[in-house]
Parts: sequence; C-alpha cells; structure tokens
Amino acid sequence: EAGVAQSPRYKIIEKRQSVAFWCNPISGHATLYWYQQILGQGPKLLIQFQNNGVVDDSQLPKDRFSAERLKGVDSTLKIQPAKLEDSAVYLCASNSWDTQYFGPGTRLTVL
Amino acid sequence: AQTVTQSQPEMSVQEAETVTLSCTYDTSENNYYLFWYKQPPSRQMILVIRQEAYKQQNATENRFSVNFQKAAKSFSLKISDSQLGDTAMYFCAFAHGGVGDDKIIFGKGTRLHILP
Repeated sequence: EAGVAQSPRYKIIEKRQSVAFWCNPISGHATLYWYQQILGQGPKLLIQFQNNGVVDDSQLPKDRFSAERLKGVDSTLKIQPAKLEDSAVYLCASNSWDTQYFGPGTRLTVL
Repeated sequence: AQTVTQSQPEMSVQEAETVTLSCTYDTSENNYYLFWYKQPPSRQMILVIRQEAYKQQNATENRFSVNFQKAAKSFSLKISDSQLGDTAMYFCAFAHGGVGDDKIIFGKGTRLHILP
C-alpha cells in the first residue's frame, strides 16, 4: 500500500513570496490533515478535511494560509505572503479508523 | 481542552537497555485514543503503538509496550532491548474517540538517543 505522498520535500523562499505544497493521501482515506511542525515542537493541526469539506480550520492563519481539497483526494496548502515565522515542516496525514498516517513532510525555509 | 505533556525533553540510554518514556494527558472525555509516534531525522512520522482508552489491556508491538493508567491519565512507552535505529524524537499523542476522525494533539516530544 502506497503511503501519503508530499512534494516538494524542501523549499526555500524569501519573505513575502508565495509557496504551495501538495499532498496525495492514501487511497480511500476520506480524512486529510495538514500540520505545521516548528523545530523542536510537536505538530500543530492547521486544517482538517473530510472528503472535500473543511472540518476544522480554527488554527489556520487565514490571512495568509489557504488550503483546498478538490474532488476529495489531493490537497494543496498555500502560503501567501510568507513570513519568517512560517519556517517549519509541513506534514500531511490521512486517516484510517482512528489512526493517522503521515507523509514525509515539506521543510520550508523562509529567508 | 485536551493537553498532552511529555516531561522528558531528552534521554540517552545504552544499546540493548530498556528505556521508558513518560506521558501524561488531560481530558474530560471517556472515549479516546492514545498514540506514540516516532520521528527519525528523516522527519517521517511513524506510528509506534496505539491504545484505545476502553481497553484495559496494555498494547504491545514487539519490543514496544505501553503502561496505560487511565485513572492517573498516564501513558508511558517502554522500549526493550533498545537498538541504534530507535534513535529519534518520540511524540505522545491523543485523539478524541467517537467518529474517529478528530484531530490528534501532540506533546512536545522526547528526543531519545541510543548509544553504541
């Protein structure tokens, strides 16, 4: 069974630029999550999708972050414009019966 | 609100020894799930072990076992016969039960070093 796929693995941008991350969950998993993991901390949920609907985006900074999951499969997370404090690893996960499976993450560095 | 606390930021043990990582949590719910995830330098978050709160029996997965004390809201991870490949960050995590699609709340992690 293929795991959760994410791209790119690394991204370096300057502040005020835009960036987008892509995630392809495990086939058949209806629930998809985006987490932000700042160095030295545990992951923090940004947004949760159930199929193509948003379940929880209470911790998503909506003035600069956006996410979509068209057709209820792949998802993209966008940051526009990026700030220095957005430097982190962005993890995507999908859910099967109360257990989340994570992708390899995208490490974002904002200079 | 649910919280997860890992009081050991960093630990080191010799290879082949047994090590226990501590975790406490706070919730008013009765139905929930607890997890230990491992995150090696590659950043891949790997599920180590999972415990349903309604089960009294402690979960085990090969060299990994938990000590789940529901009344004390404690969920420690024991790694037996530790190996160099066990070196990683370990995160304790909580998820609300019921539907089962709720978000996971992570602790801050324990960095574990297995020494040769």
